[in-house]
Amino acid sequence: AQSVAQPEDQVNVAEGNPLTVKCTYSVSGNPYLFWYVQYPNRGLQFLLKYITGDNLVKGSYGFEAEFNKSQTSFHLKKPSALVSDSALYFCAVRGPMNTGFQKLVFGTGTRLLVSP
Amino acid sequence: NAGVTQTPKFQVLKTGQSMTLQCAQDMNHNSMYWYRQDPGMGLRLIYYSASEGTTDKGEVPNGYNVSRLNKREFSLRLESAAPSQTSVYFCASSEESNYTFGSGTRLTVV
Repeated sequence: AQSVAQPEDQVNVAEGNPLTVKCTYSVSGNPYLFWYVQYPNRGLQFLLKYITGDNLVKGSYGFEAEFNKSQTSFHLKKPSALVSDSALYFCAVRGPMNTGFQKLVFGTGTRLLVSP
Repeated sequence: NAGVTQTPKFQVLKTGQSMTLQCAQDMNHNSMYWYRQDPGMGLRLIYYSASEGTTDKGEVPNGYNVSRLNKREFSLRLESAAPSQTSVYFCASSEESNYTFGSGTRLTVV
C-alpha cells in the first residue's frame, strides 16, 4: 500500500526567500507524484506532477519539485516566496498505471506561511 | 467545462438524519472518488469507483454508502449522520494521471 509523509505541519518563510515543502513517499514500483494547493475555504488546485522523465518538474505559479528516487522524496520548491503563496499544500502518490487500479493517497498537508 | 460539480456546498444535519451528497463530472472520466478532509489528517479516501458499475471501500468507509449512478455521477450517502462525520467532503474524478476535484461540501452534524 502506498503512503505519503509530510513531516512539517507548518513552514514559515519570509517573502522573497526560497521555500521548500517536504514530502516522502512509499509505493511499490515507480510512483506517480502530485502536489496540490488549497487556499482557505477552497477546493484543491493542481500544481504539478511527476510521472516519468526529468526529475525536476516545473508547475504552476513558479513552483517546482524534484523527484529523488533513492531518497523516496518529492519536495516542493520555489526560488522566491510570495505572501500570496500562503496556503495549505498537499503531496499525493499513486502507484504505476500498469499494475491495475491505483488510488491517490494524500499526505496530511503542510501549511505554508509567508511573512511580508 | 464545469469539471466536477458537488452539491450542496454547505449542509447542517442533526444527529441521526440522512442525506446524500451529489457529484457529477463532465470529463468522461472512468474513475471517481469521495474523500473527507479533517484538520491535521489530510484527505482520506472514503469510497471509490474505478469504473462505471463498480465501487470499493477506501480508508474510512464506515457510516457511508455510495452509488455510481452512471459514468457521470457518483453519490455519497450518510444513512444516520453522526457528529464524527462533520467534515469537508471532496469528490474527484480521474482518467490515467489526470485528477480533478470538486469544490467541496462542508457538512456539520450537530
